[in-house]
Amino acid sequence: EAGVVQSPRYKIIEKKQPVAFWCNPISGHNTLYWYRQNLGQGPELLIRYENEEAVDDSQLPKDRFSAERLKGVDSTLKIQPAELGDSAVYLCASSFQGQGAGMAFFGQGTRLTVV
Amino acid sequence: GDSVTQMEGPVTLSEEAFLTINCTYTATGYPSLFWYVQYPGEGLQLLLKATKADDKGSNKGFEATYRKETTSFHLEKGSVQVSDSAVYFCALRTQGGSEKLVFGKGTKLTVNP
Repeated sequence: EAGVVQSPRYKIIEKKQPVAFWCNPISGHNTLYWYRQNLGQGPELLIRYENEEAVDDSQLPKDRFSAERLKGVDSTLKIQPAELGDSAVYLCASSFQGQGAGMAFFGQGTRLTVV
Repeated sequence: GDSVTQMEGPVTLSEEAFLTINCTYTATGYPSLFWYVQYPGEGLQLLLKATKADDKGSNKGFEATYRKETTSFHLEKGSVQVSDSAVYFCALRTQGGSEKLVFGKGTKLTVNP
């Protein structure tokens, strides 16, 4: 069974440019999470979806970040414009609804470098 | 708010040595506690968990006991192997409406043959 798939694995962009990350969760998983992991830190939640609804986006910097999960399956996280401080690993995770955040499966992440 | 404090790394051990990675937490109520592992080039994987006080989670020779009185969830393994080299994250699951994991900073373990 395929796990959580993220692309690209690596991305280098200049500041002020836009960037997008894509996540394909495990089949049947209703809940999808985006986390950001800064260097030397643990992951921090950006947004959580239940199906296509964003039920917790309180930690998403809405001035430059946006996310969508059309049809309740794949999700895209976008940054526009990117800043130097956005350099981090962006992790996507998914779980069955009701299983809870602790039972989520994580993708390998997208490592973003903003120069 | 809820938080997790983990032992600073990196930790370097010889094969077959005893491992302890300390983890303490601050939270309202009684959160579920987790240890995640991140092997080089791979995603985060759940290693073990405990959902209530005095529960012991175990997997692959690793153990951790949920200690409410000391708000701790220390990870231990009696005899580490080279293949255990990875970054280990302690985490708690928040309660209430905001369903998420709160992670510690991670501890990098290197096991030498």
